[in-house]
Amino acid sequence: SAVISQKPSRDICQRGTSLTIQCQVDSQVTMMFWYRQQPGQSLTLIATANQGSEATYESGFVIDKFPISRPNLTFSTLTVSNMSPEDSSIYLCSVEPGGTEAFFGQGTRLTVV
Amino acid sequence: GIQVEQSPPDLILQEGANSTLRCNFSDSVNNLQWFHQNPWGQLINLFYIPSGTKQNGRLSATTVATERYSLLYISSSQTTDSGVYFCAGRGSRLTFGEGTQLTVNP
Repeated sequence: SAVISQKPSRDICQRGTSLTIQCQVDSQVTMMFWYRQQPGQSLTLIATANQGSEATYESGFVIDKFPISRPNLTFSTLTVSNMSPEDSSIYLCSVEPGGTEAFFGQGTRLTVV
Repeated sequence: GIQVEQSPPDLILQEGANSTLRCNFSDSVNNLQWFHQNPWGQLINLFYIPSGTKQNGRLSATTVATERYSLLYISSSQTTDSGVYFCAGRGSRLTFGEGTQLTVNP
C-alpha cells in the first residue's frame, strides 16, 4: 500500500493566477499520476510523472498549462497556471506501487473566481 | 482506449436495503478496482479485484475477467454508504467509469 499526503486540500483562487499542488508519498515510486475531476464528472488522467524525465501528458493537457515537477521518488508537484473558472475541479495525485493497486491523495478542491 | 460503463448512474435506497452496482469494460483490463468517493472528494479504496470474489464486511465484489465485467454488492446499506462509487481498470492507463451516485435515506 501507499500513503499520500496532498496539499492544499482546498483553495479559492483569482483568475489569472497559478496554484501549485504538492504530493508526498511514504515510499519510493517510479511513477506518479495526476488526475482532474471536473464537477459532477469522472476522473481524467492529466499526466504521468517519472523522476528524472519530462512528464507525459494526455491528449488535451499541455505542459504550459499544467507544469509538473518530480524532483525525487517520493514527491511531485502539479501547477495549474493562468487559471480560469473552467479550471475549478478536484485535482488528485496517485501512485501504483508495484504496478498494481492505485492509491490516491486526499485531493485538492480548487475554485477559481 | 478502454471504455468503462457503470450502471446504474443513480441509485436511491432506504437504509437496510441491498444493492448491486455493475461495471462493464470494452476490453480486457488489468488492476480492476472499486472506489468510494466521499462528500469531501476523497477516493477510498474498496477492492482491488482483477478476478474472483472478495468480501469486506457488508461489501463484496466479483469480477469475471473473461466476460469483462465486475459487480459490487452492498448489503444492509447505511446512510454513510452514500456517495459516488467508481470502478477503474488499467489498459494503457487507469480508466474510470462515470460512477454510480448512491443515496441512502434513513
